[in-house]
Amino acid sequence: DAGVIQSPRHEVTEMGQEVTLRCKPISGHDYLFWYRQTMMRGLELLIYFNNNVPIDDSGMPEDRFSAKMPNASFSTLKIQPSEPRDSAVYFCASSLTDSTDTQYFGPGTRLTVL
Amino acid sequence: RKEVEQDPGPFNVPEGATVAFNCTYSNSASQSFFWYRQDCRKEPKLLMSVYSSGNEDGRFTAQLNRASQYISLLIRDSKLSDSATYLCVVMGYSNSGYALNFGKGTSLLVTP
Repeated sequence: DAGVIQSPRHEVTEMGQEVTLRCKPISGHDYLFWYRQTMMRGLELLIYFNNNVPIDDSGMPEDRFSAKMPNASFSTLKIQPSEPRDSAVYFCASSLTDSTDTQYFGPGTRLTVL
Repeated sequence: RKEVEQDPGPFNVPEGATVAFNCTYSNSASQSFFWYRQDCRKEPKLLMSVYSSGNEDGRFTAQLNRASQYISLLIRDSKLSDSATYLCVVMGYSNSGYALNFGKGTSLLVTP
């Protein structure tokens, strides 16, 4: 079975540009999570969805970040405009239920903002 | 104070050694606990859940101490393939909803 799919795997862009990261969760999973990982701050939860509805976006750093889940098989995380401090690895994960269930992570998108 | 604290290491141990990692958490209402493993430049993967009674999976043993709010992971007879970063994960519900907190990880290097 396919795991969580993310694209692109690597993104290099210039400051001020719009960046869109994509995620396809595992089929049948009701929860989808977006994380950001940096050396300084470790892995941080940005936002999560339950049945396509955003539940908690308190981890989203600022208004430049937005996330959508138009259907059960697709989610996007958008940064507009991007800044160098946004450089990080962005992971998408999905789980069947919630707190007691395993989260399956995608391979991540390595974003570099110049 | 960060929600989940881990010693970043690195822990350098020889093959066959026993090594233990600890993790402390600040929210006493936390409900679920896990250890994830992350290989270099890869995604985190669940290693094991941590139950109140403690649990074992082969060479790996996880313990939870709710009174002291810490979790431990013990690796016996360590293998070269155990080299990775081990992330402590604490989950619970807060005012803003589902609260998921990862430690920054403990790096383990097993040497021949």
